[in-house]
Amino acid sequence: EVQLVESGGDLVQPGGSLRLSCAASGFTFSPYAMHWVRQAPGKGLEYVSSISDDGDSPSYAHSVRGRFTISRDNSRNTLFLQMGSLRAEDTAVYYCAREDSDSSGYYIDLWGQGTMVTVSP
Amino acid sequence: QIVVTQEPSLTVSPGGTVTLTCASSTGAVTSVHYPNWFQQKPGQAPRSLIYSTRNKHSWTPARFSGSLLGGKAALTVSGVQPEDEADYYCLLYYSGGNVVFGGGTKLTVL
Repeated sequence: EVQLVESGGDLVQPGGSLRLSCAASGFTFSPYAMHWVRQAPGKGLEYVSSISDDGDSPSYAHSVRGRFTISRDNSRNTLFLQMGSLRAEDTAVYYCAREDSDSSGYYIDLWGQGTMVTVSP
Repeated sequence: QIVVTQEPSLTVSPGGTVTLTCASSTGAVTSVHYPNWFQQKPGQAPRSLIYSTRNKHSWTPARFSGSLLGGKAALTVSGVQPEDEADYYCLLYYSGGNVVFGGGTKLTVL
């Protein structure tokens, strides 16, 4: 089955750190760019970060730049998000998502089920 | 900061037709923004519906269609079903690798 499975979400204190993982299975992971997207409770989807197929050219939303680091291990079919200096406003469900492309353009076609991160004293 | 705007909420009767739109603070939405549309039901992950303005995934019901309308990306649902009640999000791509989601539209089928 083609799927993405996130893990690593937890309750963490403000200022703390956490590493999320996203395990890909059922497809060849390495050719795809990947994204992290989050959703605060009762709110909409928010882009967090993305990384190219070879791990170069990471990009970040302004809200997390300098605090979060995206990476991937293509040999382990896994995407990571290292989160630091966490704030209450980082509390959200974090989804990983696969980006594909064809002659018509770029698109996200596969989502994980999400992992919950709660930042609270 | 780029802002992508959607209608906060819309209501449609079963069997009816509804159009959701997606506007960009930078100006007209065009095909180079590769508009994507996603559906999200309560407690579930988003599901991709439409990509590159009007292309459907293999799992996308035929009643969903995408277009450009008056400088915005649009998602039209024709012959709305009760199970279409959900939140819908658009996504636009910008130069420099920027990706921005719209705020979402809550579609009520009533």
